[in-house]
Amino acid sequence: DAKTTQPPSMDCAEGRAANLPCNHSTISGNEYVYWYRQIHSQGPQYIIHGLKNNETNEMASLIITEDRKSSTLILPHATLRDTAVYYCIVRAINQAGTALIFGKGTTLSVSS
Amino acid sequence: DTAVSQTPKYLVTQMGNDKSIKCEQNLGHDTMYWYKQDSKKFLKIMFSYNNKELIINETVPNRFSPKSPDKAHLNLHINSLELGDSAVYFCASSQDLIFYGYTFGSGTRLTVV
Repeated sequence: DAKTTQPPSMDCAEGRAANLPCNHSTISGNEYVYWYRQIHSQGPQYIIHGLKNNETNEMASLIITEDRKSSTLILPHATLRDTAVYYCIVRAINQAGTALIFGKGTTLSVSS
Repeated sequence: DTAVSQTPKYLVTQMGNDKSIKCEQNLGHDTMYWYKQDSKKFLKIMFSYNNKELIINETVPNRFSPKSPDKAHLNLHINSLELGDSAVYFCASSQDLIFYGYTFGSGTRLTVV
C-alpha cells in the first residue's frame, strides 16, 4: 500500500504556481520523497526527489517540512502541458528487492 | 535515442491466444520492471529483474512469464489471454544502487476481445 496521502484532484490557472501537497506521516529516516507525473497515455515521468532539504530542478521545487511528515511539489508557472496525474512516493534509496509503489495520485488540471 | 522502448505499442488479440511484449533499455541500468495499469488507472508492479535475476514477483497469474535474456531486455509473455488482461503495460528501468529515478517506456495497450 502507498504510504502517502494526496488530494484526488486540483485545478490551477495557466501561468500560476501549482502547489501539490502530500502527507507521509509514517516516513522513515532513510526514506526519500519522490514525485512522478503521468501525462495522459504516457509512461510516468520522474520529476524530483529529496530527503530533508528543499530541492529545485528545471521542472519543479520540492519543499519538505522539518518533521518530514509532509511535502509540497511546486510547479512555479503551470502550463497546459502540466496537466497530468502527480504521484508522491516514499522509498528508501537502497531498497533492493522492492519497487516504486504508486498510489492514486493527484490529477492536476491546468486551464487557460 | 529512446531510453526505454516497448513493442508493440498496441496489441489487439483474441481470448486464449499467447502474446509477448518486448522491452529494451539503453541506459545501462541494472534493474527492469513491468507494471500494469488497469482501466481505473492504478499502476501496479508485476515483476522486477536485477541483472537478469527475478527479484520481485507480485501476485500475478502464472500465465504471465517474464524473461530477461540480458540486463538490457525484459520481455513479458502472456499465455491463454483473458478479457481481464486488457490494460496498459509499462516497462521501466532503474539503477538502484544510485537511485536517480525510474525511466518508463511509453506503454503497450493490450486489448483482449
